[in-house]
Amino acid sequence: NAGVMQNPRHLVRRRGQEARLRCSPMKGHSHVYWYRQLPEEGLKFMVYLQKENIIDESGMPKERFSAEFPKEGPSILRIQQVVRGDSAAYFCASSRPGQDYEQYFGPGTRLTVT
Amino acid sequence: GEDVEQSLFLSVREGDSSVINCTYTDSSSTYLYWYKQEPGAGLQLLTYIFSNMDMKQDQRLTVLLNKKDKHLSLRIADTQTGDSAIYFCAESPNNNAGNMLTFGGGTRLMVKP
Repeated sequence: NAGVMQNPRHLVRRRGQEARLRCSPMKGHSHVYWYRQLPEEGLKFMVYLQKENIIDESGMPKERFSAEFPKEGPSILRIQQVVRGDSAAYFCASSRPGQDYEQYFGPGTRLTVT
Repeated sequence: GEDVEQSLFLSVREGDSSVINCTYTDSSSTYLYWYKQEPGAGLQLLTYIFSNMDMKQDQRLTVLLNKKDKHLSLRIADTQTGDSAIYFCAESPNNNAGNMLTFGGGTRLMVKP
């Protein structure tokens, strides 16, 4: 049973470009959480999605950031017009419905903005 | 808002026990977690404890929860060099609105041979 998959593992973007981060949850998991980890810090919650629904986006920056989890395919975290401060590791976690207390994390995407 | 605090660094000798401490402020926390992060890797769920429990043991790991003091600890018995990593404490309300984890800043455990 494959774990949570994230790609790419490393992403380099110039300021002003767009970054697309993908997350495929574990088999049987339909809940996805995105977290951001700035250097030398803990993880901060960004957004919680279920299939085709954003449940809680209280941790998302108000501009440039968006997330989706379509009926088919991976969850996407999209950052438009990236700035240097967006450089971080972005992790997604997945869980089964009714078992949100057990979240399993992917290996993360390390975004570097030059 | 919620706040989770951990000490930054812990150094132990191989074979000793390690104790990593964590304090939290949200009295409505339902679940408390310990995750392990090795360099360049994602987070590995080590163990979690439900808030109505005082202790949970899993092989070399023992979690103690003092709900009155909002204090959580992770004890690793017979610490090995492979245990060197960053350990994150996290809490969540796990209500119907989801289970957003609030993380501490992490404790870097260094195990000396």
